[in-house]
Amino acid sequence: EAQVTQNPRYLITVTGKKLTVTCSQNMNHEYMSWYRQDPGLGLRQIYYSMNVEVTDKGDVPEGYKVSRKEKRNFPLILESPSPNQTSLYFCASGKQVSTDTQYFGPGTRLTVL
Amino acid sequence: SQQGEEDPQALSIQEGENATMNCSYKTSINNLQWYRQNSGRGLVHLILIRSNEREKHSGRLRVTLDTSKKSSSLLITASRAADTASYFCATDLMDSNYQLIWGAGTKLIIKP
Repeated sequence: EAQVTQNPRYLITVTGKKLTVTCSQNMNHEYMSWYRQDPGLGLRQIYYSMNVEVTDKGDVPEGYKVSRKEKRNFPLILESPSPNQTSLYFCASGKQVSTDTQYFGPGTRLTVL
Repeated sequence: SQQGEEDPQALSIQEGENATMNCSYKTSINNLQWYRQNSGRGLVHLILIRSNEREKHSGRLRVTLDTSKKSSSLLITASRAADTASYFCATDLMDSNYQLIWGAGTKLIIKP
């Protein structure tokens, strides 16, 4: 089954404790991206990747890091989480961004205390 | 930066009625996509309309695009309770092929 998986689905952590949210897709997609969703603000892109070893900042990259060492994986790293990073996070993938369906993961609900 | 703006922010209708949502954007686009999100879940792609297309259908969905007005509408005909969800438009900017810009969404409630 074609899918995007994220782990963990739920995470409660404390300020400053480094964490990684994993994202994996099995569709051989070149394009992957991370979004955060906050009430009233819609989806805001954090980082995106056009292909292996190619990543770029989205609209709200501060406080986040990503890597794309393999085509299927695109982890999101919070080196020192803060309470303002409490949010619902989505990973997405697609063959391209411009003309192709984006497939979304189920989301990771992160709470930073 | 927010490009698409959905209107209305919330819509509540009776089952069986038609639901119309609108999306406006500011700059020229390559394509526009509509997605559905059930509460707290991942988004699901509904339909993509290219900038040279004016109308597209998919089952009970009809999407129109007016590039002169920089707007799109999503019509759901004969609504069902299962259509209750938030609907988002996403635009692919003409000067950037690497980002989709999302609106804040329309929350649709279908009353049985």
